[in-house]
Amino acid sequence: DADVTQTPRNRITKTGKRIMLECSQTKGHDRMYWYRQDPGLGLRLIYYSFDVKDINKGEISDGYSVSRQAQAKFSLSLESAIPNQTALYFCATSDLRTDQETQYFGPGTRLLVL
Amino acid sequence: GQNIDQPTEMTATEGAIVQINCTYQTSGFNGLFWYQQHAGEAPTFLSYNVLDGLEEKGRFSSFLSRSKGYSYLLLKELQMKDSASYLCAVLDSNYQLIWGAGTKLIIKP
Repeated sequence: DADVTQTPRNRITKTGKRIMLECSQTKGHDRMYWYRQDPGLGLRLIYYSFDVKDINKGEISDGYSVSRQAQAKFSLSLESAIPNQTALYFCATSDLRTDQETQYFGPGTRLLVL
Repeated sequence: GQNIDQPTEMTATEGAIVQINCTYQTSGFNGLFWYQQHAGEAPTFLSYNVLDGLEEKGRFSSFLSRSKGYSYLLLKELQMKDSASYLCAVLDSNYQLIWGAGTKLIIKP
């Protein structure tokens, strides 16, 4: 079984709709991250969380929100989707204490906003 | 500001050796990572350097010079499956990962 899973893997939605992307991990890591990736731009950090009660904005948080429901779950919401949020979204986890902050990625969610 | 530079694209021949460079300017340094990412897939961890010098792992090696803000990833005996993007990332003083845009490596027969 995969250590970091994301659902859905693909999603098509319309402008103005609210959608949620979910991430679960079985690695026991405290830290979780949401990134988006666009062609030629590399990975950009949206939000991150160092434990259940900790939420931090990343480089491009506008238009997004997150929820850390438990150590193992970190959800990303697009409040009102717009076409320029079309991208590949990755969830990642890490653990500074045991793994020098190596990040482990989920398989990604491909989102298309029409 | 914080910045990581790596070439956008490189081409190499199957069986050959290729070196992918990465230079960085960050607020503090707590290590440098290399990741491999095949098209449409998740990045996967390749190497981590925190001290100067060369780390070898099979066909892949990674080098770090902290004084020069420089690293390279060396791939030997290239195989077609090595065609991918290679991402350089630096852990800054706040233990935040700063990512480069990635180098797309094209392997030709």
